[in-house]
Amino acid sequence: DARVTQTPRDKVTEMGQEVTMRCQPILGHNTVFWYRQTMMQGLELLAYFRNRAPLDDSGMPKDRFSAEMPDATLATLKIQPSEPRDSAVYFCASGLGAGATGELFFGEGSRLTVL
Amino acid sequence: AQTVTQSQPEMSVQEAETVTLSCTYDTSENNYYLFWYKQPPSRQMILVIRQEAYKQQNATENRFSVNFQKAAKSFSLKISDSQLGDTAMYFCALINFGNEKLTFGTGTRLTIIP
Repeated sequence: DARVTQTPRDKVTEMGQEVTMRCQPILGHNTVFWYRQTMMQGLELLAYFRNRAPLDDSGMPKDRFSAEMPDATLATLKIQPSEPRDSAVYFCASGLGAGATGELFFGEGSRLTVL
Repeated sequence: AQTVTQSQPEMSVQEAETVTLSCTYDTSENNYYLFWYKQPPSRQMILVIRQEAYKQQNATENRFSVNFQKAAKSFSLKISDSQLGDTAMYFCALINFGNEKLTFGTGTRLTIIP
């Protein structure tokens, strides 16, 4: 049963620490997305990739956030340095693109708490 | 820019009853997909139903059906014979063919009462 895998599931860290979240998209999917979910802002798109190339990261705070796809099986989202306002659930999702079904398959999310 | 609006923050209904969740959207594109995603307490985002904008027929998936009104830009979800397992946050979402960005509404928290 193909699924998107995210690690860690939960992370508690102190302000100023570096945080790296990892995502393994579904094999064969050519688009990968990072979303952030908070009570106040809902689901926000941070960045997305097509065929490993970054297409849009306008939703991401550039000074502290970075997103990469070192290879087709791994996407990373890094926060350095982390701040309490970064506390949220971060979702990775993958899909075949809007030209196919448009559907995105989500991982279970990484809940980040920055103290 | 595309927007999705869900005007019902919370809803509750008795088990076995029917409930309808509302969603309106705005897009300048003519070709797009609309979705309803379910997020139970486990926080996993699960696709409930999908509608292609070029199809006039409303999508159905077992107890779930939509009322898609393209001219009015409305996309409501009807859950029939509601079950306790339907308790979750429900998000309406839109993706344009040429854009690939999935835009979500703010969600409706649905509680099924035993």
